[in-house]
Amino acid sequence: KQEVTQIPAALSVPEGENLVLNCSFTDSAIYNLQWFRQDPGKGLTSLLLIQSSQREQTSGRLNASLDKSSGRSTLYIAASQPGDSATYLCAVLDGGSQGNLIFGKGTKLSVKP
Amino acid sequence: NAGVTQTPKFRVLKTGQSMTLLCAQDMNHEYMYWYRQDPGMGLRLIHYSVGEGTTAKGEVPDGYNVSRLKKQNFLLGLESAAPSQTSVYFCASSHYDRAYGYTFGSGTRLTVV
Repeated sequence: KQEVTQIPAALSVPEGENLVLNCSFTDSAIYNLQWFRQDPGKGLTSLLLIQSSQREQTSGRLNASLDKSSGRSTLYIAASQPGDSATYLCAVLDGGSQGNLIFGKGTKLSVKP
Repeated sequence: NAGVTQTPKFRVLKTGQSMTLLCAQDMNHEYMYWYRQDPGMGLRLIHYSVGEGTTAKGEVPDGYNVSRLKKQNFLLGLESAAPSQTSVYFCASSHYDRAYGYTFGSGTRLTVV
């Protein structure tokens, strides 16, 4: 059974720092991997989507990498801002194109001014 | 662009009452999903549908029923609500090959007392 783990569970950094959020998964047979952002009491906003054949995706200050063989993905946030404070969720689409989206429990990020 | 719309946003039920959560998407997506999010458990798949008139069980289907009578709508029903069903419910949709990722609604916060 696919399991997705996110480390750390919570992270507090001062504004301006570069930071890395980690995601690992137990079965490398994934179709793609998606990073989401969730603000308190709100829904999920898709940040980046990496197909299984890709190594990384970038959007503005965000860069996500994927190493499928080792079962790992990282989300890199450059020059963090207080507005980046949120919970970041990693999810893998498991078992090929007919599988299900399996979520990690998230990393709660707090960026202090 | 509405994307995925969930109604209602909040609801309080008494144990044993029934209710239906409505999800509507305007992206012509084939696949639709219902998830629940609980503290410490992450998001878990309740039921999903791969097309109009089809439904399938996810990881935690007990106590829920679903229907997909129209392609754009996916209904989640609770026939006899229990306190264990207190949760935040998210609907999502995707293109059939999932290469473009999932789009989530803003959620329904349900409390069963």
